[in-house]
Amino acid sequence: SQQGEEDPQALSIQEGENATMNCSYKTSINNLQWYRQNSGRGLVHLILIRSNEREKHSGRLRVTLDTSKKSSSLLITASRAADTASYFCATERGSQGNLIFGKGTKLSVKP
Amino acid sequence: ETGVTQTPRHLVMGMTNKKSLKCEQHLGHNAMYWYKQSAKKPLELMFVYNFKEQTENNSVPSRFSPECPNSSHLFLHLHTLQPEDSALYLCASSQIQGLFRLAERDGELFFGEGSRLTVL
Repeated sequence: SQQGEEDPQALSIQEGENATMNCSYKTSINNLQWYRQNSGRGLVHLILIRSNEREKHSGRLRVTLDTSKKSSSLLITASRAADTASYFCATERGSQGNLIFGKGTKLSVKP
Repeated sequence: ETGVTQTPRHLVMGMTNKKSLKCEQHLGHNAMYWYKQSAKKPLELMFVYNFKEQTENNSVPSRFSPECPNSSHLFLHLHTLQPEDSALYLCASSQIQGLFRLAERDGELFFGEGSRLTVL
């Protein structure tokens, strides 16, 4: 069953604007990861945030985590056309701790 | 390059064919995964191997048969597939599987570019 669920499903912005994507999950987590996927390609790991962290930065990416609300957000600042992709959050599930992904947010950045 | 190579990138097969997807990782990882990505659906975890041992079979139909001869190679054997099996099949690897890891980063997945399968 699905663990993370991203919101919105699709987001269209102009180059230079900020893009915010949200992820909600159902069960307690050890960490939450964000991945990016260009159309028809494999997923690429962006950032991991631990359950005891509230915010993490990596370049133009900022991830927040609110374990009380079981939600996370990914902010991409000063977006570029090359940021156009689908973005997925992933959390671990089950006794084996396998990563389960949401449906993703499809981001379109127009030049 | 992620260090995970999948072949073929594209495959078209009939419902009575037998074919195989191959995945190879050059990262020295010990866990390998098959995910299925269909349109408008979340990625579905299919199989997991940790140190060559299958540790997860997510109720996958028997027409999909995985094989992991060593920690660097993973195959997905396909036979008598259905049109609804058409999808992007993604292979991934990680240092070690989920809860067995010693460091948080060990759970990061490295994906191949996928094999686009079309079943006619």
